Parts: sequence; structure tokens; C-alpha cells
Amino acid sequence: RKEVEQDPGPFNVPEGATVAFNCTYSNSASQSFFWYRQDCRKEPKLLMSVYSSGNEDGRFTAQLNRASQYISLLIRDSKLSDSATYLCVVRSSNTGKLIFGQGTTLQVKP
Amino acid sequence: EAEVAQSPRYKITEKSQAVAFWCDPISGHATLYWYRQILGQGPELLVQFQDESVVDDSQLPKDRFSAERLKGVDSTLKIQPAELGDSAMYLCASSLSPGPPETQYFGPGTRLLVL
Repeated sequence: RKEVEQDPGPFNVPEGATVAFNCTYSNSASQSFFWYRQDCRKEPKLLMSVYSSGNEDGRFTAQLNRASQYISLLIRDSKLSDSATYLCVVRSSNTGKLIFGQGTTLQVKP
Repeated sequence: EAEVAQSPRYKITEKSQAVAFWCDPISGHATLYWYRQILGQGPELLVQFQDESVVDDSQLPKDRFSAERLKGVDSTLKIQPAELGDSAMYLCASSLSPGPPETQYFGPGTRLLVL
């Protein structure tokens, strides 16, 4: 079983749609949680950190459920520019090692 | 805005040849990471440095891969001999320190194709 699991998709949605991605992790000792965005043939870039209380950044909302070991990302009012792969990432210890899911691909269509 | 630099951006080589990748982290970042990303998968950590010391190389195939960060600044990752399965994107990342809340910043990567 992978340490971080995501549905690879692809998710094909029209502009303006709301889309949600889910992720589960297996290590209950995991300390920090993130969503990274990766455009085709580019490097991953931090989209947002995920906190237990949930957090929002504009059209993006991230939530963490430690009891279920579950992380989510909600994108409202999807834009064409949101098309990318979204990587669920867990940091399990103070060494800083990041464990990446395989990514979920989003394609927003006009 | 400071960035992580990597070179070359692309490398094509034949199997059994040696290849080397270079990374220059953001100035002042003590922690440096090398990740490998196979197409369709997320990045996987190969080696982590704290200054010039290796902190984690548990996933580094040590029979063919080596990494160094001699002066605790830039770093080189080498593969010898390259195999077909080594075709991937090799990403370097850096952070001020390893622990939270420090963010890891990624370089543009080196895309390796082994023929």
C-alpha cells in the first residue's frame, strides 16, 4: 500500500465548476500536510498547507481529518488556468522528507 | 525571487553511460533534497543533505547512484552506469531547515532519457 494515495483522474470539468480531490495517508505520525500544483513538464509548486482547522485561499479550500487520515482540496469556480496535476503531500517527521501521492490531473474545459 | 537552479535541463544518454546533474539551492538554504519523478507518479526522495552531510539516502540505489554536497552549497547527483529504468525527471529542492514550517522550493528539474 502506498503511503499517500490519490485518485489519478483525470477530472474533466467545465469552467465554473466546483471540483474536489481526496487523498488518504497511512502514517498516523505524519506531521504536516500540503497540496502542491504541478504543471505539465514543470516542477511542483506549493499551493497551500493544510491545517486541522481547515483553511481557505481564495477559490481553494483544504481540509484535514486526522482521525480518518484524509485530506481534501476543493476548487470553486474552476478556471482554465487551474488545469494541472495536484499532488497531495505529507511530511512525516522532522527530517523534512516529503511523501508525495501520484497526483490527480485536472483538465478544465471552456 | 530567489530560485533553485539545475542543469542541464535535458539529458539524453545511452545505457551504461555516466551522467551527472547539478543543483544550486537558494542562497542560505541548509537543506537540499534530490527527488526522482517517474512519468505519472509523484516525486520520490533519493537523498537529503543537511549542509554537507547526508541525512537520508535510504532510497538511493547506491550501486549506481552517488550524491555529494562538498561545501554545503551546490550539489551533484551522478548515475553510473545509467539504465533504461532511470529515465525520469530529477528534481532538486531546498529549504532553510528540514523541519516544519519550512517550505521546500523545487528547481525546474533535469529530464533524463536513457536509450
